[in-house]
Order: sequence, then structure tokens, then C-alpha cells
Amino acid sequence: GESVGLHLPTLSVQEGDNSIINCAYSNSASDYFIWYKQESGKGPQFIIDIRSNMDKRQGQRVTVLLNKTVKHLSLQIAATQPGDSAVYFCAENNPTGTYKYIFGTGTRLKVLA
Amino acid sequence: DTAVSQTPKYLVTQMGNDKSIKCEQNLGHDTMYWYKQDSKKFLKIMFSYNNKELIINETVPNRFSPKSPDKAHLNLHINSLELGDSAVYFCASSPRSEYGYTFGSGTRLTVV
Repeated sequence: GESVGLHLPTLSVQEGDNSIINCAYSNSASDYFIWYKQESGKGPQFIIDIRSNMDKRQGQRVTVLLNKTVKHLSLQIAATQPGDSAVYFCAENNPTGTYKYIFGTGTRLKVLA
Repeated sequence: DTAVSQTPKYLVTQMGNDKSIKCEQNLGHDTMYWYKQDSKKFLKIMFSYNNKELIINETVPNRFSPKSPDKAHLNLHINSLELGDSAVYFCASSPRSEYGYTFGSGTRLTVV
């Protein structure tokens, strides 16, 4: 069946440290990936994306790495802040042409003061 | 202005009732979606409409019926509600499939 990601884990990080959130995807033909952030009581919010012809993309304090060989994505957050506390999801675009993303199960990031 | 707005935000209802959730987007996007998020935060697509045409209909009980009167609106009607329907339902939109979604803030449905 379709699957992206792991069972919902929790990552606890000290404020100011770097965070790394990992995600495994299952479809080697997937060609577009997105990281979303979901704060409590809100909908998921787009953070950063990457296409399969890239292996790294940087945004403001965030970097996404793509390793197609092992079908792995990671999201790195530099200098983690309390406002980064949320559940993070990776999503892969189903390349069959239907408008559907497959979401991972998410990782809860807790920032410790 | 809220880009994707859902109403109501909270919905508590008894088993067997029929209820609707409304969604509107003012982004001019062609494609709209309904996702269900369970208690473990897992997000699963239910339906997708492109320009009022149904293009994705996942394995969802036929008690769930989406309706898109125009490309800015996608409503979800649920008949004969069951306890297992309790979840957070998210509406989302995108300009095209290769772009990410803009999500609404969700509707928390509790069936008692």
C-alpha cells in the first residue's frame, strides 16, 4: 500500500539547537516533495518544497535534503525557536497524474526553553 | 482575508444525524480537496475537484458526498454519522497538481 514516513515520533530539541526531521517515502517515481508545518488547532502550512532533480534546497532557516537512492527526505531547522514547535509532515506527489499528495504520519517537534 | 475558509470550526452531533461542512477559497485556484486527519494526525485524502469536476474519490463510504457548486467552493455532506467519523476535516486548494496546497484551519467533527 501507499506509505510515507514513520509512526508519529516526537523530537525534543533545546532552543537554539538545530533540528533534523526525517521522512521515508515509498514511491521511487515520486517527483515532487513538500514539507508542511501544523501548529496546534491549525491546518498544515507549506514550508519548503523540492523537486526530484535536486538533492538540496534552502529556505530561511530551513533546508530540505533529498536522497533518492534510499528514498529519504530530511528537514533541517537551524537555531530552533519556540515558534517552531509543531507537527511536521512530508508529502510526496503521486506521479500518476491524479492530483494527490501522500502525507507521512508526521513528527512532533518540541522546543525546550 | 482568509485564503481557505471552512465552517463550522467545531461540530458536535449525535450518531445518525446528517451534517455538512462548507469550504470556500478566494485564491482563484482550480483544484480543491477534502482531507481527513485522525487522532494520530494521519492525513488522508478523501476527494478532489478540479474546476467543479470530481477527479479523486478515494475509498470513502458513500455516506460522504462532496459538492462543488463552483470552483471556489467545495462542500462535504455526511449522512448517517457514525462514531468513527469523528476526526478533523481539512479543506485545501491548489493552483495545479504540481503545487502545494493551501489548507483551511479544519473542522473538528465529534460524533457522540
